[in-house]
Parts: sequence; structure tokens; C-alpha cells
Amino acid sequence: SSELTQDPAVSVALGQTVRITCQGDSLRSYYASWYQQKPGQAPVLVIYGKNNRPSGIPDRFSGSSSGNTASLTITGAQAEDEADYYCNSRDSSGNHLGVFGGGTKLTVL
Amino acid sequence: EVQLVESGGGLVQPGGSLRLSCAASGFTFSSYEMNWVRQAPGKGLEWVSYISSSGSTIYYADSVKGRFTISRDNAKNSLYLQMNSLRAEDTAVYYCARVLIPNDAFDIWGQGTMVTVSS
Repeated sequence: SSELTQDPAVSVALGQTVRITCQGDSLRSYYASWYQQKPGQAPVLVIYGKNNRPSGIPDRFSGSSSGNTASLTITGAQAEDEADYYCNSRDSSGNHLGVFGGGTKLTVL
Repeated sequence: EVQLVESGGGLVQPGGSLRLSCAASGFTFSSYEMNWVRQAPGKGLEWVSYISSSGSTIYYADSVKGRFTISRDNAKNSLYLQMNSLRAEDTAVYYCARVLIPNDAFDIWGQGTMVTVSS
């Protein structure tokens, strides 16, 4: 297995830009995907691959990667973006998507 | 509409068993790899198990290996998780999740089913 590390909490002023990071050795070989989860709801995919957004995800969400770090950037954060965000990638064997980061609680001030 | 609907959760005593189901609709279920992911109360997401589209390849998290069994019935568009020897630490919401083709991501999630292991 492998590990992905995220900051537990991040805050951003309304309308400003925030970056949420995810670190792990597997990210040198595989892309991370990012999930938004609001209280009482199932996770929702927001970014996958190099920098792809599923249909319906606002273009203020973007992804990037460098070395062992993947980042999710929200440009012009909105109140509705307040949520938990999780990164995910393949495990060290590359066989499955078996590794999640611990999650980052985003607060929009 | 593409949809996954879990069922089968509930309250079970330690050492007991439970079988979760995930009903798929709106897509060709047999073409997709599937997973179970769980979330303990107030905690983060934890991957539980993976099954290939044909069912021939299976992986488990170390925390459930030897106790849980993933399976699928492509004719019934259904995914299953047989959970035996349940422990208090298995208490969680269990989600089934589809793997996006060809990219590595869980693109569709069910609403989750709660499993509580307690005496």
C-alpha cells in the first residue's frame, strides 16, 4: 500500500483562490483524483486525470501535479464550496485505486 | 440516469455477518470495474475492495482481508459485499463506486448504506 497526506483544514475568504494539496510517492507515477463531500452526502468527483472536470463541475475547480504533490485549486471560492475534499490515487502496486488522503476540511470565510 | 443504489446495511452484533448489495442502472454494468469504499462516523474515506469488470480480479484492504468477500452478478447488474466476523471498527457508511473508463477515478457513487456493529 502507500499513503497520501493532506492538510486537515484550510480556509479561504469568499471569492479568493485556495489550493489544497496531496502528497505521496504514488503521485510520481499516477494522477490523483479529487472528491468533494458535503455533510450527509456521498462524495462527488471534481477532478480526475491531468486536469479534467466531470460534466457539471464548475470551471473554478482545477488540478495540477508536480513530483510527489497533487493540487486542487479553487479560483474564486464560493460559499457552496465549503466541504471536505479527498484525494485518491493508485496504490504502490498500481493494481487499484486503493489509497485516499485523510481529507481536507475547507472553510469559506 | 446512471445510478448506484446500496442496500443491506443495519445493526449487527460483533462476530456477525451482513451482505451488502449495490444495484446499478443506466449504464452497461458489465463493462465497469467496481469498488466498495467506507467511511466511519466522523472519519475519512477508506477503500475496502475492488473487482474487475468480469469478476476475475479482486483486491481487498488489509483491514478486511479474509473476512469480506466482494462479488458481482453482471446478469443482475449487481455488486455485493459479504461481510463476516464483523468488528466494531467496521462500523461505517459503505459506498459502492464505479471506476471511470479509461481514467483512474471513481466517477459514480451510491448514496451509501450504514453498517453498525454493536452489542
